[in-house]
Amino acid sequence: SAVISQKPSRDICQRGTSLTIQCQVDSQVTMMFWYRQQPGQSLTLIATANQGSEATYESGFVIDKFPISRPNLTFSTLTVSNMSPEDSSIYLCSVEFTSGKNIQYFGAGTRLSVL
Amino acid sequence: TQLLEQSPQFLSIQEGENLTVYCNSSSVFSSLQWYRQEPGEGPVLLVTVVTGGEVKKLKRLTFQFGDARKDSSLHITAAQPGDTGLYLCAGGVDSWGKFQFGAGTQVVVTP
Repeated sequence: SAVISQKPSRDICQRGTSLTIQCQVDSQVTMMFWYRQQPGQSLTLIATANQGSEATYESGFVIDKFPISRPNLTFSTLTVSNMSPEDSSIYLCSVEFTSGKNIQYFGAGTRLSVL
Repeated sequence: TQLLEQSPQFLSIQEGENLTVYCNSSSVFSSLQWYRQEPGEGPVLLVTVVTGGEVKKLKRLTFQFGDARKDSSLHITAAQPGDTGLYLCAGGVDSWGKFQFGAGTQVVVTP
């Protein structure tokens, strides 16, 4: 397993501002993912954070709105840019150590409210 | 998009009763995961099933993967209040951990 730390755990932000969420893992991981979970709903994959290259975004998510960094094998950030109330959600990072194992571990999430 | 449908959406039972949650799709998945999420926490992996027809038991929880790898079920025997949570199934789309999540089943077990 892994210890996955997300910061901040929660935040309240003003419309039009940006928030950067950090995800730190206690060991090196191959794959890191960013998800969004809107209130009362399931998880939607935003993007796969690739070390050393640009993130791969899912349909409906774009780099200008959700820029992602992956500077090394233990750390990633997701920025929610130019926020609106519709961005209020829980943002989760997850990691997978080895391809083919399909074992994914999640951080506790960042609860974002946009006023 | 491979859709995963979970049923029921909500389940409220008394302690000691049994319950079953279903996860169905028209598509074949390479694997299927079950997670439980409690308020304020991220999802916690319960089990991964990869072989059609596979059955796994985890104490009072029994997980089954359909023969065709399109559906799965989670059965809880003698539910306890600690089993309360949002149960999510997730189908493996590729070998690199990209998952399609179901909508979730909120389970409430009252003493």
